This record gives sequence, structure tokens and C-alpha cells, in this order.
Amino acid sequence: ETGVTQTPRHLVMGMTNKKSLKCEQHLGHNAMYWYKQSAKKPLELMFVYSLEERVENNSVPSRFSPECPNSSHLFLHLHTLQPEDSALYLCASSRRGSDTQYFGPGTRLTVL
Amino acid sequence: AQKVTQAQTEISVVEKEDVTLDCVYETRDTTYYLFWYKQPPSGELVFLIRRNSFDEQNEISGRYSWNFQKSTSSFNFTITASQVVDSAVYFCALSEAYTGANSKLTFGKGITLSVRP
Repeated sequence: ETGVTQTPRHLVMGMTNKKSLKCEQHLGHNAMYWYKQSAKKPLELMFVYSLEERVENNSVPSRFSPECPNSSHLFLHLHTLQPEDSALYLCASSRRGSDTQYFGPGTRLTVL
Repeated sequence: AQKVTQAQTEISVVEKEDVTLDCVYETRDTTYYLFWYKQPPSGELVFLIRRNSFDEQNEISGRYSWNFQKSTSSFNFTITASQVVDSAVYFCALSEAYTGANSKLTFGKGITLSVRP
């Protein structure tokens, strides 16, 4: 199943670097989500985009900056991250009128 | 506020054993949806099932079965004749009644299932 893809799959970056995570969905959905999954912690919802507008930002630090240029693509721009930001970042999408979210494979991020 | 509790954190079984993963939820909504997702070592959360609050029929799909009981606010997942490929983290999730263009899922902490050959 390749409905939701994420690149890169693995990323190692220093605290002063700037990088971006990319998510693309091929399911014709119109809502997209970023989640953070840290070891031993529940999934944390970071951002929600619906019809390309950000509808939710769960107190995420400004060093994470999302972008949704169209309904198929979602980016997460990263800058001056901290080691505690190391985690698996998951993207998901859902269709208007449905609450089932479909997830991508995630980007494993390590901040040195 | 919604809450999903998966009290079991890690379960280890031998192949061909049956295993039940527990999920207990809390919600004030009368209409809601329950989900199970599987996360294999590759990382992707794989959607397994969605059940709405008005449908308490148990569901069976191959070796998987789900037992939804509103009286105890539980939505348990049983794998029959487990296989090594079932080794993964399993998440139970709850969604409030759909009210807009995006959904909102509350996840449990997940249960790590290890199936040994």
C-alpha cells in the first residue's frame, strides 16, 4: 500500500541545520496531519490541515513549521532542533466526510 | 475529554497461541468511532478496523476478531493462531463524532506484541 508516502525515511541532522520532511498522499484526501511518536510516549498530534488551511496547532514549538501547498502535499520544515526532537514523524491523511486516517511510513529523525 | 487506555504494554506469546489485546475508552459522546491500527517495525501505522458506537456486533476478519462492549467501554482485539508476522505495536484509537472536514483521533499508548517461533 503506497497511499501515503514520506521522504526521507531517515534523517540525521545537527542542531543548527535546516531540513524539511515531505509527505504526499495519493488517495484523493483533503485533510492531512503531522504526528510525533517518541519512545515510550503516545502519538502526539502536531498539526492538522484541512482543505489546505491549518486548522490545528497543538502548541508545537516554532522550530517546526508546516506547509501545505495543495491537498496532496504536506511539508514539515525543521530548524534549530533539539536532541529531544528526535522521534518518528508520521504523516496521515483522511477524506472529507470520514474519520479514518491513513498513515505514511514515517521519517525517523535523529538530532545530534 | 476522551481517553483510551491500553493497560497491557508488552505481550509475548509463542506462535499459534491466541492473544487478546485490551482497549478501554472514555468519552462523553453518544456517537463515536473506535479503531485499531498495527505498527510493524517498518513504522507505518496500518489501519485494521473502524467500528461505530451503534454497532456492537463482533467482527471477524480471518484470524482477527474484535469484541465491542459498550457496557464496559471496551473494544478488545483477538488474534487467533498468532504468527511471527503479527509481531508489532497495536494501537487502539477513539474518534469523536465527525463534525468537520478533518478527523480527530485519540490514541492509546500501544501494546507491543512479540510472537516467538
